[in-house]
Amino acid sequence: GAGVSQSPRYKVAKRGQDVALRCDPISGHVSLFWYQQALGQGPEFLTYFQNEAQLDKSGLPSDRFFAERPEGSVSTLKIQRTQQEDSAVYLCASSQEAGGNTEAFFGQGTRLTVV
Amino acid sequence: GDSVTQMEGPVTLSEEAFLTINCTYTATGYPSLFWYVQYPGEGLQLLLKATKADDKGSNKGFEATYRKETTSFHLEKGSVQVSDSAVYFCALSDTGRRALTFGSGTRLQVQP
Repeated sequence: GAGVSQSPRYKVAKRGQDVALRCDPISGHVSLFWYQQALGQGPEFLTYFQNEAQLDKSGLPSDRFFAERPEGSVSTLKIQRTQQEDSAVYLCASSQEAGGNTEAFFGQGTRLTVV
Repeated sequence: GDSVTQMEGPVTLSEEAFLTINCTYTATGYPSLFWYVQYPGEGLQLLLKATKADDKGSNKGFEATYRKETTSFHLEKGSVQVSDSAVYFCALSDTGRRALTFGSGTRLQVQP
């Protein structure tokens, strides 16, 4: 596609509900990142994939957060038993190469509100 | 660990005014430095970058110089336009780490 696509754009979940957020990266991009952005803050790193391999998940805040990219393209971020502190915008980014200097292209994000 | 500190906003300027948004960083290695911009209703976009000390990144009239001695990467523009109104994020990517570390963002409002 033309850019990174995320769905849904908005999600309201009741506390305790499981949610799944989808990211379609730019076709052919090797690297895929998930970030969490709280209101008024900068994005914070959650996890990184190189193709289908999850090479860094050091930013995942708890074991309720799980991400996968089984075929090296589309990725899903799953949050189990959502809590109010999970309310944030979840951003996905992809880049063409594996190096840290290459430009990352961001999606518009999914705004998650836990009530 | 790595961190990025940028000036708090909002920054409100009149059209054609000079813009500076300060950014300083802490990193353990030799980071690459970036400025990203988020226009209303849009995703983050790379504005400019610099990969080593004394490099100057530039784009759309914006400039930033990688200053290792002061660990800074201040964003400047000589004459801002209303269309520059957005949130600006300073970020770094440290040696051997692919993820970005972001500052908290600075909202710029340019009035006609």
